Amino acid sequence: EPEVTQTPSHQVTQMGQEVILRCVPISNHLYFYWYRQILGQKVEFLVSFYNNEISEKSEIFDDQFSVERPDGSNFTLKIRSTKLEDSAMYFCASSPEGSGVRELFFGEGSRLTVL
Amino acid sequence: QKEVEQNSGPLSVPEGAIASLNCTYSDRGSQSFFWYRQYSGKSPELIMFIYSNGDKEDGRFTAQLNKASQYVSLLIRDSQPSDSATYLCAVRAAGNKLTFGGGTRVLVKP
Repeated sequence: EPEVTQTPSHQVTQMGQEVILRCVPISNHLYFYWYRQILGQKVEFLVSFYNNEISEKSEIFDDQFSVERPDGSNFTLKIRSTKLEDSAMYFCASSPEGSGVRELFFGEGSRLTVL
Repeated sequence: QKEVEQNSGPLSVPEGAIASLNCTYSDRGSQSFFWYRQYSGKSPELIMFIYSNGDKEDGRFTAQLNKASQYVSLLIRDSQPSDSATYLCAVRAAGNKLTFGGGTRVLVKP
């Protein structure tokens, strides 16, 4: 069964460092998303991406964050200068076009620990 | 602020019983509703979705939607210990994003 894959599964970084989280969405999906979940808290929307541009973003997704689809398969989230409060599980998700319901399929997540 | 509210639990049910989970949402423009299951340390896994008022059944799971009351529920029949997890309600209004509730933790006791 097709799945969303994410790398790395866990990254530890120092505050102020740049981090890139990578995702390979399901191949025939055209909508891509990043969500995050701080330990013990809700799953929070960060950004959605369609047709090579951001379609929606949350207040969390400030200038420190950026997304890119550098080729036909990868979808990346970059955090330019990490803060302690960026420590969380980051989930990539994708959904198919043509589905009015447009259910999301999540990857296994990348755990980011900022020291 | 569009909110999705769930009782955090834990909801403790004996094996074989029915677990009933509830979710309310604030945005009347919400169009589709999702239930995800999340095991500790894992990603959300889609159980089912519903977008019309009424009931929708899929195996041991039944989702119920009442848009007038802004209420969606999930019933798990014949609960198994493997159903022990956190159940997330998610709502889509206009646009692409899902707004998640905080989840209800379910414990199924053998």
